[in-house]
Amino acid sequence: DTAVSQTPKYLVTQMGNDKSIKCEQNLGHDTMYWYKQDSKKFLKIMFSYNNKELIINETVPNRFSPKSPDKAHLNLHINSLELGDSAVYFCASSPLGGNSPLHFGNGTRLTVT
Amino acid sequence: KQEVTQIPAALSVPEGENLVLNCSFTDSAIYNLQWFRQDPGKGLTSLLLIQSSQREQTSGRLNASLDKSSGRSTLYIAASQPGDSATYLCAVKDSWGKLQFGAGTQVVVTP
Repeated sequence: DTAVSQTPKYLVTQMGNDKSIKCEQNLGHDTMYWYKQDSKKFLKIMFSYNNKELIINETVPNRFSPKSPDKAHLNLHINSLELGDSAVYFCASSPLGGNSPLHFGNGTRLTVT
Repeated sequence: KQEVTQIPAALSVPEGENLVLNCSFTDSAIYNLQWFRQDPGKGLTSLLLIQSSQREQTSGRLNASLDKSSGRSTLYIAASQPGDSATYLCAVKDSWGKLQFGAGTQVVVTP
């Protein structure tokens, strides 16, 4: 009964490849997010979608493209992977309205070799 | 630009002691402040959320205070247990909906 689930949990790939990470939430939330946690453990927002519409797009290389087929899913596609993309990527969701806590998935550890 | 700092970066206490974790932020125009717990290899679990109009929130052994004017929040964990060992992160939300995280405080509670 995982509320926010991401797949895969681990992803090891070579530079230059294209990969996708999938996220699904069964909480009925309207807003979904992608966060990146680097080696120093800093969590930074990448994207936020509200009911399939992009509302936050931080300074992220355009090699990263989020796609939201419906409000329960937010996938992240990464083209031409680079070494610096190695990190843990977290998906999260929250209800509409500012004063609701975020619910996080367990993360996808991406290693680019 | 909002900056969130957590001190100390790491903390080790014997079981039973109270924990005090600090979070400071540079821009007092926040929407809310949230405390999360992160266990190794896991996602974040929301502990407490304090709205900008509130001064504190409590849940069981956890109490978080917020002083917007001084840009500070403190998380208190009473009577710590080994199961409280984790990394604790605070995050402030701005009016645009963006959550800015601190780097976290890694806590170890020894039996």
